[in-house]
Amino acid sequence: EAGVTQFPSHSVIEKGQTVTLRCDPISGHDNLYWYRRVMGKEIKFLLHFVKESKQDESGMPNNRFLAERTGGTYSTLKVQPAELEDSGVYFCASSLGGTITDTQYFGPGTRLTVL
Amino acid sequence: GNSVTQMEGPVTLSEEAFLTINCTYTATGYPSLFWYVQYPGEGLQLLLKATKADDKGSNKGFEATYRKETTSFHLEKGSVQVSDSAVYFCALTPFILTGGGNKLTFGTGTQLKVEL
Repeated sequence: EAGVTQFPSHSVIEKGQTVTLRCDPISGHDNLYWYRRVMGKEIKFLLHFVKESKQDESGMPNNRFLAERTGGTYSTLKVQPAELEDSGVYFCASSLGGTITDTQYFGPGTRLTVL
Repeated sequence: GNSVTQMEGPVTLSEEAFLTINCTYTATGYPSLFWYVQYPGEGLQLLLKATKADDKGSNKGFEATYRKETTSFHLEKGSVQVSDSAVYFCALTPFILTGGGNKLTFGTGTQLKVEL
């Protein structure tokens, strides 16, 4: 069974440009999460989808970030326009259910560098 | 709000040495506690978890005990191997009665390097 995949693995863009990150969860997992680790700091929650609906988007830093999950399968996270402080590693995770007994499975992350 | 504090790294040990990585938390009630591990080039993997006070999580020789009185969940291993070299993250999800779903709150991570 394939794990959570993320694309691209690395992205280098200039300030003001747009970048779109993609996450493919484990097949059949209704719950999808985005997290971010800014340089050397803790990994922070961004948002949580249940199927195509945003269950919790309390961690989204500002309106330059837009997450979608059309059809309830893969998800995209768009940053527009990107700023220097958006640099970091963006992780996606998925789980079958949304309770504390449901393990979140993480992808390898996308490393975003904004110059 | 909820927070997790873990010891600064990097930690460098010789093979077969004893490992302790300290983790303390701040949260209301009884959160669930986790240790995740990230090996080079890979995503985070759940290493172990504990969902109530005094529970001990264990996996691959690693152990951690949920201590409510000290709000701690220290990770231990009796004899580390070179293959244990990775970044270790302590994390929690909120106590179910406080709401907040099951979003994870992480510590900053501790890099472990094990040498021969």
